[in-house]
Amino acid sequence: EVHLVQSGAEVKKPGATVKISCKVSGSTFTDYYIYWVQQAPGKGLEWVGLVDPEDGETMYAEKFQGRVTITADTSSDTAYMELRSLTSGDTALYYCATLSHGASEGYYMDVWGKGTTVTVFS
Amino acid sequence: SYVLTQPPSVSVAPGKTARITCGGDNIASKSVHWYQRKPGQAPVLVIYYDSDRPSGIPERFSGSYSGNTATLTISRVEAGDEADYYCQVWDRSSDHVVFGGGTKLTVL
Repeated sequence: EVHLVQSGAEVKKPGATVKISCKVSGSTFTDYYIYWVQQAPGKGLEWVGLVDPEDGETMYAEKFQGRVTITADTSSDTAYMELRSLTSGDTALYYCATLSHGASEGYYMDVWGKGTTVTVFS
Repeated sequence: SYVLTQPPSVSVAPGKTARITCGGDNIASKSVHWYQRKPGQAPVLVIYYDSDRPSGIPERFSGSYSGNTATLTISRVEAGDEADYYCQVWDRSSDHVVFGGGTKLTVL
């Protein structure tokens, strides 16, 4: 069974950078994309970006392009999301997600981490 | 950019059928996936590839299309189905994952 374990809550000041992690266990790390999804307070799910752990290729939502970097470390089966120039608008719960072993390939997610809360607060 | 439109809220009595719609331009040409999110919990995939159910999801959950609208149907609604539901597609033209705005299902 695939598990995604995310790093703990972060509190940052405006203008700072946050880097959160997502460790994958129970599957071959390079089999499926890793997605990052934002849920701001009172808002819906918003896609941040994805990484293909096999070759490190990334795709980012326009809203975050230029401020976000998503990486995958195959030596530790861990994906990372770094978000720079933080503002209060980045205060949110950030999920990583992927597909379980044997899932039909495609751009969707059937395994989710528990989420990492990022609070931007001066 | 591609937009998916969902009603903000749907209300239904227990035992009745809830239908949550997801509209998008030429949506029938895309694969639609649906997620359930309860407060304090991570999202759960309830329908993938338009109408397939992951293991563990009750048969009461089904997906369909009509014209430019995809629909998640929940039959014999239970109190435990109360949650926010999101549709999602992959927009090939922009290489972007797109989520709908979400629909809050209230069980009366």
